[in-house]
Amino acid sequence: DTGVSQNPRHKITKRGQNVTFRCDPISEHNRLYWYRQTLGQGPEFLTYFQNEAQLEKSRLLSDRFSAERPKGSFSTLEIQRTEQGDSAMYLCASSFNLIGTGESTGELFFGEGSRLTVL
Amino acid sequence: KQEVTQIPAALSVPEGENLVLNCSFTDSAIYNLQWFRQDPGKGLTSLLLIQSSQREQTSGRLNASLDKSSGRSTLYIAASQPGDSATYLCAVNTGGFKTIFGAGTRLFVKA
Repeated sequence: DTGVSQNPRHKITKRGQNVTFRCDPISEHNRLYWYRQTLGQGPEFLTYFQNEAQLEKSRLLSDRFSAERPKGSFSTLEIQRTEQGDSAMYLCASSFNLIGTGESTGELFFGEGSRLTVL
Repeated sequence: KQEVTQIPAALSVPEGENLVLNCSFTDSAIYNLQWFRQDPGKGLTSLLLIQSSQREQTSGRLNASLDKSSGRSTLYIAASQPGDSATYLCAVNTGGFKTIFGAGTRLFVKA
Protein backbone atom coordinates (compact mmCIF):
# COMPACT_ATOMS: atom_id res chain seq x y z
CA ASP A 1 0.00 0.00 0.00
CA THR A 2 1.47 3.31 -1.08
CA GLY A 3 -0.72 5.60 0.99
CA VAL A 4 -3.26 8.17 -0.17
CA SER A 5 -2.79 9.17 -3.79
CA GLN A 6 -4.08 12.36 -5.42
CA ASN A 7 -3.98 13.60 -8.98
CA PRO A 8 -3.34 15.83 -10.68
CA ARG A 9 -0.81 17.42 -8.35
CA HIS A 10 -1.15 20.76 -10.05
CA LYS A 11 -3.92 22.25 -12.17
CA ILE A 12 -3.94 25.67 -13.78
CA THR A 13 -7.22 26.69 -15.35
CA LYS A 14 -9.05 29.74 -16.56
CA ARG A 15 -11.96 31.18 -14.69
CA GLY A 16 -15.22 29.54 -15.68
CA GLN A 17 -13.72 26.16 -16.55
CA ASN A 18 -14.55 22.91 -14.76
CA VAL A 19 -11.89 20.88 -12.96
CA THR A 20 -11.90 17.43 -11.39
CA PHE A 21 -9.56 15.99 -8.79
CA ARG A 22 -9.19 12.33 -7.92
CA CYS A 23 -8.25 10.69 -4.63
CA ASP A 24 -7.34 7.06 -4.05
CA PRO A 25 -7.39 6.33 -0.30
CA ILE A 26 -5.56 3.65 1.61
CA SER A 27 -7.35 0.49 0.53
CA GLU A 28 -8.68 -0.72 3.88
CA HIS A 29 -9.89 2.72 4.98
CA ASN A 30 -13.64 3.22 5.06
CA ARG A 31 -13.66 7.01 5.53
CA LEU A 32 -12.52 9.55 3.00
CA TYR A 33 -12.33 13.31 3.55
CA TRP A 34 -11.78 16.36 1.38
CA TYR A 35 -10.16 19.50 2.82
CA ARG A 36 -9.15 22.83 1.35
CA GLN A 37 -6.07 24.72 2.44
CA THR A 38 -5.07 28.28 1.57
CA LEU A 39 -1.66 29.84 2.16
CA GLY A 40 -0.75 30.20 5.80
CA GLN A 41 -3.87 28.46 7.07
CA GLY A 42 -4.68 25.00 8.32
CA PRO A 43 -6.87 22.68 6.24
CA GLU A 44 -10.62 23.34 6.33
CA PHE A 45 -13.13 20.51 6.13
CA LEU A 46 -15.20 20.26 2.94
CA THR A 47 -16.91 16.86 2.98
CA TYR A 48 -16.53 13.23 3.96
CA PHE A 49 -17.67 9.77 2.95
CA GLN A 50 -18.31 6.66 4.98
CA ASN A 51 -17.81 3.99 2.33
CA GLU A 52 -19.84 5.28 -0.65
CA ALA A 53 -22.19 7.50 1.37
CA GLN A 54 -21.50 11.23 1.56
CA LEU A 55 -22.51 11.98 5.13
CA GLU A 56 -21.58 15.61 5.67
CA LYS A 57 -20.84 18.71 3.63
CA SER A 58 -19.41 21.98 4.90
CA ARG A 59 -21.00 25.36 4.22
CA LEU A 60 -17.77 26.04 2.30
CA LEU A 61 -18.95 23.58 -0.33
CA SER A 62 -21.07 25.71 -2.63
CA ASP A 63 -23.34 24.14 -5.23
CA ARG A 64 -20.51 24.48 -7.75
CA PHE A 65 -18.68 21.74 -5.87
CA SER A 66 -19.64 18.08 -6.06
CA ALA A 67 -17.92 15.02 -4.67
CA GLU A 68 -18.50 11.35 -5.32
CA ARG A 69 -17.20 8.04 -4.10
CA PRO A 70 -19.09 5.67 -6.38
CA LYS A 71 -17.94 2.29 -5.14
CA GLY A 72 -16.57 3.22 -1.78
CA SER A 73 -13.04 3.26 -3.14
CA PHE A 74 -11.64 6.30 -5.01
CA SER A 75 -13.31 9.70 -4.86
CA THR A 76 -13.60 12.66 -7.20
CA LEU A 77 -14.07 16.32 -6.37
CA GLU A 78 -15.42 18.45 -9.21
CA ILE A 79 -15.52 22.23 -9.24
CA GLN A 80 -17.74 23.76 -11.90
CA ARG A 81 -17.40 27.29 -13.26
CA THR A 82 -14.21 27.93 -11.30
CA GLU A 83 -13.60 31.31 -9.70
CA GLN A 84 -10.32 32.87 -8.63
CA GLY A 85 -11.33 32.36 -5.01
CA ASP A 86 -11.25 28.61 -5.60
CA SER A 87 -7.45 28.75 -5.90
CA ALA A 88 -6.16 26.59 -3.08
CA MET A 89 -4.63 23.23 -2.21
CA TYR A 90 -7.26 20.48 -2.17
CA LEU A 91 -6.30 17.72 0.24
CA CYS A 92 -7.73 14.25 0.54
CA ALA A 93 -7.42 12.14 3.67
CA SER A 94 -8.58 8.71 4.71
CA SER A 95 -9.01 6.82 7.96
CA PHE A 96 -10.35 3.58 9.33
CA ASN A 97 -13.24 3.98 11.74
CA LEU A 98 -15.18 1.40 13.64
CA ILE A 99 -18.61 0.94 12.08
CA GLY A 100 -21.52 1.62 14.39
CA THR A 101 -19.71 3.77 16.93
CA GLY A 102 -20.37 6.97 15.04
CA GLU A 103 -17.03 8.18 16.25
CA SER A 104 -13.78 8.88 14.51
CA THR A 105 -11.19 6.79 16.28
CA GLY A 106 -8.76 6.50 13.43
CA GLU A 107 -5.64 8.35 12.49
CA LEU A 108 -5.94 10.64 9.47
CA PHE A 109 -3.61 10.00 6.53
CA PHE A 110 -3.31 12.67 3.88
CA GLY A 111 -2.31 12.63 0.25
CA GLU A 112 0.12 15.09 -1.36
CA GLY A 113 -2.70 17.39 -2.39
CA SER A 114 -3.88 18.92 -5.66
CA ARG A 115 -2.97 22.56 -6.10
CA LEU A 116 -5.49 24.57 -8.11
CA THR A 117 -4.67 27.92 -9.67
CA VAL A 118 -7.54 29.77 -11.34
CA LEU A 119 -6.43 32.58 -13.66
CA LYS B 1 -17.40 25.93 18.65
CA GLN B 2 -13.95 24.33 18.84
CA GLU B 3 -11.04 26.62 17.98
CA VAL B 4 -7.41 25.56 17.74
CA THR B 5 -4.56 28.02 18.17
CA GLN B 6 -0.86 27.41 17.64
CA ILE B 7 1.84 29.58 19.12
CA PRO B 8 4.29 30.73 17.95
CA ALA B 9 3.32 31.21 14.31
CA ALA B 10 6.97 30.97 13.33
CA LEU B 11 10.16 29.88 15.05
CA SER B 12 13.82 29.95 14.09
CA VAL B 13 16.35 27.97 16.15
CA PRO B 14 19.97 26.85 15.75
CA GLU B 15 20.66 23.21 14.99
CA GLY B 16 20.83 20.98 18.05
CA GLU B 17 18.40 22.98 20.16
CA ASN B 18 15.48 21.33 21.92
CA LEU B 19 12.20 23.08 21.24
CA VAL B 20 8.53 23.07 22.16
CA LEU B 21 5.59 23.87 19.92
CA ASN B 22 2.30 24.76 21.54
CA CYS B 23 -1.29 24.00 20.62
CA SER B 24 -4.37 25.15 22.53
CA PHE B 25 -8.01 24.28 22.01
CA THR B 26 -11.15 25.82 23.45
CA ASP B 27 -13.34 22.75 24.10
CA SER B 28 -11.85 19.99 26.22
CA ALA B 29 -14.35 17.41 24.94
CA ILE B 30 -12.07 15.93 22.30
CA TYR B 31 -11.65 12.44 20.92
CA ASN B 32 -8.05 12.65 19.87
CA LEU B 33 -5.35 15.10 18.89
CA GLN B 34 -2.96 14.62 16.01
CA TRP B 35 0.28 16.40 15.11
CA PHE B 36 1.27 16.72 11.47
CA ARG B 37 4.25 17.97 9.53
CA GLN B 38 3.84 19.79 6.21
CA ASP B 39 6.67 20.65 3.84
CA PRO B 40 6.14 23.53 1.38
CA GLY B 41 3.70 22.61 -1.38
CA LYS B 42 3.19 19.13 0.02
CA GLY B 43 0.53 17.22 1.89
CA LEU B 44 0.41 16.49 5.61
CA THR B 45 2.47 13.75 7.22
CA SER B 46 1.14 12.31 10.46
CA LEU B 47 3.65 12.49 13.30
CA LEU B 48 1.79 11.48 16.44
CA LEU B 49 -1.78 10.67 17.46
CA ILE B 50 -2.87 11.01 21.08
CA GLN B 51 -6.20 9.51 22.07
CA SER B 52 -8.23 11.43 24.64
CA SER B 53 -7.45 8.85 27.32
CA GLN B 54 -3.70 9.23 26.81
CA ARG B 55 -1.32 11.81 28.24
CA GLU B 56 1.54 11.53 25.77
CA GLN B 57 3.01 9.76 22.78
CA THR B 58 6.61 9.43 21.66
CA SER B 59 8.23 8.69 18.34
CA GLY B 60 11.99 9.00 18.02
CA ARG B 61 13.00 12.58 18.84
CA LEU B 62 9.36 13.69 19.07
CA ASN B 63 7.18 13.71 22.16
CA ALA B 64 3.63 15.02 22.26
CA SER B 65 1.67 15.64 25.44
CA LEU B 66 -2.01 16.24 26.00
CA ASP B 67 -3.72 18.04 28.88
CA LYS B 68 -7.43 18.06 28.12
CA SER B 69 -8.45 19.92 31.25
CA SER B 70 -6.33 22.93 30.31
CA GLY B 71 -6.97 22.57 26.58
CA ARG B 72 -3.31 22.22 25.67
CA SER B 73 -0.93 20.01 23.78
CA THR B 74 2.79 20.41 23.24
CA LEU B 75 5.10 18.89 20.67
CA TYR B 76 8.65 18.54 21.94
CA ILE B 77 11.42 18.11 19.38
CA ALA B 78 14.78 17.03 20.77
CA ALA B 79 18.13 17.87 19.17
CA SER B 80 16.61 19.72 16.21
CA GLN B 81 18.09 19.24 12.73
CA PRO B 82 17.84 21.31 9.53
CA GLY B 83 15.68 18.52 8.10
CA ASP B 84 13.08 19.30 10.78
CA SER B 85 12.35 22.61 9.05
CA ALA B 86 8.68 22.53 8.07
CA THR B 87 5.25 23.66 9.24
CA TYR B 88 3.83 21.72 12.16
CA LEU B 89 0.06 21.48 12.44
CA CYS B 90 -2.05 20.46 15.39
CA ALA B 91 -5.48 18.92 14.72
CA VAL B 92 -8.23 18.18 17.22
CA ASN B 93 -10.93 15.59 16.58
CA THR B 94 -14.12 16.55 18.36
CA GLY B 95 -15.95 13.31 17.64
CA GLY B 96 -17.53 11.92 14.51
CA PHE B 97 -16.03 13.36 11.35
CA LYS B 98 -14.93 16.75 12.61
CA THR B 99 -11.23 17.51 12.82
CA ILE B 100 -10.27 21.13 13.43
CA PHE B 101 -6.79 22.33 12.49
CA GLY B 102 -4.63 25.10 13.81
CA ALA B 103 -2.87 27.44 11.39
CA GLY B 104 0.47 25.82 12.15
CA THR B 105 3.92 26.81 13.40
CA ARG B 106 6.58 27.38 10.73
CA LEU B 107 9.87 26.02 12.04
CA PHE B 108 13.27 26.88 10.61
CA VAL B 109 16.33 25.08 11.97
CA LYS B 110 19.59 26.81 11.07
CA ALA B 111 22.65 24.72 10.31
